[in-house]
Amino acid sequence: AQSVTQPDIHITVSEGASLELRCNYSYGATPYLFWYVQSPGQGLQLLLKYFSGDTLVQGIKGFEAEFKRSQSSFNLRKPSVHWSDAAEYFCAVGSDSNYQLIWGAGTKLIIKP
Amino acid sequence: DTGVSQDPRHKITKRGQNVTFRCDPISEHNRLYWYRQTLGQGPEFLTYFQNEAQLEKSRLLSDRFSAERPKGSFSTLEIQRTEQGDSAMYLCASGFENSNQPQHFGDGTRLSIL
Repeated sequence: AQSVTQPDIHITVSEGASLELRCNYSYGATPYLFWYVQSPGQGLQLLLKYFSGDTLVQGIKGFEAEFKRSQSSFNLRKPSVHWSDAAEYFCAVGSDSNYQLIWGAGTKLIIKP
Repeated sequence: DTGVSQDPRHKITKRGQNVTFRCDPISEHNRLYWYRQTLGQGPEFLTYFQNEAQLEKSRLLSDRFSAERPKGSFSTLEIQRTEQGDSAMYLCASGFENSNQPQHFGDGTRLSIL
């Protein structure tokens, strides 16, 4: 079955520290991978996407993610977090054969001052 | 601003009432999606349109739910005889037909059933 797993329900990081949010997927087709961010009471904003090519993709707000096919992972990273990064982060996967996106349950990022 | 807009942002209603939400997508997008999101969860797909045609409905979409996109532009989602379990954030997204293009989301309508 197709699925996306975000193993960490929440993560607490000190401001200025590095961040890695994990995403693992189970998907039969060649995946398109997305990371979205959601602030409280808001919709989802696209951070970055992977379709093909270079497995390290750069996104907005200083985020990057690396696609590792052998590990079925697409982890999101940021070298130095800011208090404004506190939000919920969602990983999603789609493909040419599936109009739907399959979503993870999200990881809530808490920033310690 | 030419993003996806949803109206209203919040709706509080009594159980058993009907509610209708509106979504205005990005004008050049031909696909429009509706999702439901509950606390602590990712979005759950409800239905999607390509232009004015409703091409797929999730089994989450009971008979009390109906969605339309009459002219291939804005869309409405109606819930009849609301129940407590309908309380959620209803998100609309739009995108191009190609699956490798991202979906762009509105800020959602939060529905609270008293």
